[in-house]
Amino acid sequence: LAKTTQPISMDSYEGQEVNITCSHNNIATNDYITWYQQFPSQGPRFIIQGYKTKVTNEVASLFIPADRKSSTLSLPRVSLSDTAVYYCLPPDGAAGNKLTFGGGTRVLVKP
Amino acid sequence: EPEVTQTPSHQVTQMGQEVILRCVPISNHLYFYWYRQILGQKVEFLVSFYNNEISEKSEIFDDQFSVERPDGSNFTLKIRSTKLEDSAMYFCASSEARYLGAPGELFFGEGSRLTVL
Repeated sequence: LAKTTQPISMDSYEGQEVNITCSHNNIATNDYITWYQQFPSQGPRFIIQGYKTKVTNEVASLFIPADRKSSTLSLPRVSLSDTAVYYCLPPDGAAGNKLTFGGGTRVLVKP
Repeated sequence: EPEVTQTPSHQVTQMGQEVILRCVPISNHLYFYWYRQILGQKVEFLVSFYNNEISEKSEIFDDQFSVERPDGSNFTLKIRSTKLEDSAMYFCASSEARYLGAPGELFFGEGSRLTVL
């Protein structure tokens, strides 16, 4: 299992860009990095997944450098509703068919 | 948009009682999971299920826990004799596909809150 490290919390303001960096020094060659979002009392929700370079969807961008030892989730122009916990997850398990959630990064968006 | 549904949303039970939590995964999904989250703590993996059998389970998933897909649509988690420490939010999830190194997108339900008194 690739151990991940990400900030415990981050504060931001509405309209700003939020960047959350996760380090995963011993990520396996075939592993993708996946990010999930969780609002209070709700199940986690998939945001984005990538292997290398840059991936973008309607919600976020994911930047993974060539060495793949870290990844950065970028949330453009956050709103109050983006206040949530964000998890960086490599696959886990012998078959890679489960996700192991760490503590995540608690993002608080202020007005 | 298809979604994973869970019932009940909240269940209160006495210690030592059996509890069954039910989930209806998204219909074309092949992989099924149970996770739990104790209040204020992280989301913990319990078990994954594929092709009608458990493919992986955590240390939490001991003999008191079992899963079943009885009729091709429901996916259940049974706790035989609940303990106080089983109080948590239980999330069911399903995914369509899995690729080497890349678990398919997991779709989570809204959760079932279990309170053991």
